[in-house]
Amino acid sequence: DARVTQTPRHKVTEMGQEVTMRCQPILGHNTVFWYRQTMMQGLELLAYFRNRAPLDDSGMPKDRFSAEMPDATLATLKIQPSEPRDSAVYFCASGLVLSRGPGNEQFFGPGTRLTVL
Amino acid sequence: KQEVTQIPAALSVPEGENLVLNCSFTDSAIYNLQWFRQDPGKGLTSLLLIQSSQREQTSGRLNASLDKSSGRSTLYIAASQPGDSATYLCAVTADTGRRALTFGSGTRLQVQP
Repeated sequence: DARVTQTPRHKVTEMGQEVTMRCQPILGHNTVFWYRQTMMQGLELLAYFRNRAPLDDSGMPKDRFSAEMPDATLATLKIQPSEPRDSAVYFCASGLVLSRGPGNEQFFGPGTRLTVL
Repeated sequence: KQEVTQIPAALSVPEGENLVLNCSFTDSAIYNLQWFRQDPGKGLTSLLLIQSSQREQTSGRLNASLDKSSGRSTLYIAASQPGDSATYLCAVTADTGRRALTFGSGTRLQVQP
């Protein structure tokens, strides 16, 4: 049963600390997305990768957030330093995007619930 | 900038009712539209994906329609059950190289037994 996995599922940290969230996309998917969900803003795109290359990170605060794909099986989202306003649920999703034909259904992981005190 | 709106924000119905959830989007240049379900404290489960060239998709008791030109989609749930209680999210993918989803704020559904 292929699915997107994320670790950790929950993270509580203090303001100023570094936070790293990890995602394992579904094997064979070539696109990975990071979304953030808050009560006020709903679901928003932070960044996405295709074939491990970053295509769009315009949704991320550049001074503190960074996203990488060290290899095809791992995507990371890092916050340094973290702030209370970063408290949210962070979702990773993966999909197979083809230049032609149907596709692009996105499959979401269970999320990382981050609380910054 | 694409904006997605979902109406109603919340809905409470007795078990067995057929119901319709609405989604509208401002830019009709979409690649596809996806309906998700989210249970409290959980991730998103994909329910239906409609490509821009399609008019509807069906899965079990769920039927989603798409009117791309008018910027609307509906999710029809037949014979609702308490287990259908969740938040339903609509999301569109722009018809550009950028394949990220733009989400609506969701409809919170409660089906009373």
